[in-house]
Amino acid sequence: GDSVTQMEGPVTLSEEAFLTINCTYTATGYPSPFWYVQYPGEGLQLLLKATKADDKGSNKGFEATYRKETTSFHLEKGSVQVSDSAVYFCALSRNNQGGKLIFGQGTELSVKP
Amino acid sequence: DSGVTQTPKHLITATGQRVTLRCSPRSGDLSVYWYQQSLDQGLQFLIQYYNGEERAKGNILERFSAQQFPDLHSELNLSSLELGDSALYFCASSPRGGQGNNEQFFGPGTRLTVL
Repeated sequence: GDSVTQMEGPVTLSEEAFLTINCTYTATGYPSPFWYVQYPGEGLQLLLKATKADDKGSNKGFEATYRKETTSFHLEKGSVQVSDSAVYFCALSRNNQGGKLIFGQGTELSVKP
Repeated sequence: DSGVTQTPKHLITATGQRVTLRCSPRSGDLSVYWYQQSLDQGLQFLIQYYNGEERAKGNILERFSAQQFPDLHSELNLSSLELGDSALYFCASSPRGGQGNNEQFFGPGTRLTVL
């Protein structure tokens, strides 16, 4: 079945450091990739998404490019802030499966001042 | 605030008991999804309803059931509870039912503790 693998955490960075969280997936057909973020004590929020191959999703300084040839959707941010501390989830869904989301295991990010 | 509400926020109960979790989707959203988040299994899809009908099923135990009512709110019923059912249960909603790139809006979750 479909699966999502993302780099393990926790990841600890200093403020203004560069962030990369790797995400790769295994899926047939044409999946749609997403990044969701979960701040402490809250539900998940959509961070960004892509709809077709080579699409770049971006939001709040975060970016991810949907690479169909490498089945990847790595998350990047040029300069992280303390407020970015959260758990980040890579996910995918497929049109023929009702839109359900399949999540990676989550990567906890801690940004120190 | 996503517009999705879940009640209760916390639930503590004993093994063997039955509980009901409630979810109200965003206004106008027809689809409701239920997910379970636990330390050992991560975030797993349980079940989806679209406009009152079951649309997709995931790793949902037979002891668990759900329904979506005419006003589109949904309930997840968990029975014969076991210690391993302790988890955070999220509800999410989306405007439509089948599109893979359809954003889902998550509620704050219900934390279930089974003692």
